[in-house]
Amino acid sequence: EDQVTQSPEALRLQEGESSSLNCSYTVSGLRGLFWYRQDPGKGPEFLFTLYSAGEEKEKERLKATLTKKESFLHITAPKPEDSATYLCAVQGDYGGSQGNLIFGKGTKLSVKP
Amino acid sequence: GAVVSQHPSRVICKSGTSVKIECRSLDFQATTMFWYRQFPKQSLMLMATSNEGSKATYEQGVEKDKFLINHASLTLSTLTVTSAHPEDSSFYICSARDGPRTGNTIYFGEGSWLTVV
Repeated sequence: EDQVTQSPEALRLQEGESSSLNCSYTVSGLRGLFWYRQDPGKGPEFLFTLYSAGEEKEKERLKATLTKKESFLHITAPKPEDSATYLCAVQGDYGGSQGNLIFGKGTKLSVKP
Repeated sequence: GAVVSQHPSRVICKSGTSVKIECRSLDFQATTMFWYRQFPKQSLMLMATSNEGSKATYEQGVEKDKFLINHASLTLSTLTVTSAHPEDSSFYICSARDGPRTGNTIYFGEGSWLTVV
């Protein structure tokens, strides 16, 4: 069964304290792994797509990496405005599907000044 | 800027009435759009996959006669909640898949808060 597990569920950091969020996945034929940021009461905002093991992408203080079993979202020197829920999702070779995403439950990040 | 627009962002309706939510892809054509529902502090739950020019594919447990989906054009999908009841109150989010130029990235709308009173 295709599955996405994110850890930790919640993470509290001090401003400037770097850390990583984990996304473990099992999927039949990975087409893409997506990271999104979701603020309360808003739709998810696209951050990154990773397609193959070893791939890395960066955007400001965020860096996403991918292995065959998991992805990490590294946050370097976070600021309070980085506080949000970070969602990981995978798209796989589901029989008969149109490529919908399977989401993890998210990691709620709080950055204190 | 936003590439997927959802409207309305908030709507309050009376129990028993129907309400329509629109999802538009702004600068790309989306043959496939997705509708999700999200409860407080929960992750997104896929309700249905909307395909332009054909019937939507509903996930198990989602009533297709209650949640009507129409994908009339390559840039517009609508979700109509029929005979709404208070338990239908939720945050509804749509997404649309862009083409190969962006690696088939899926972009989300801003979401629509539905309150049924």
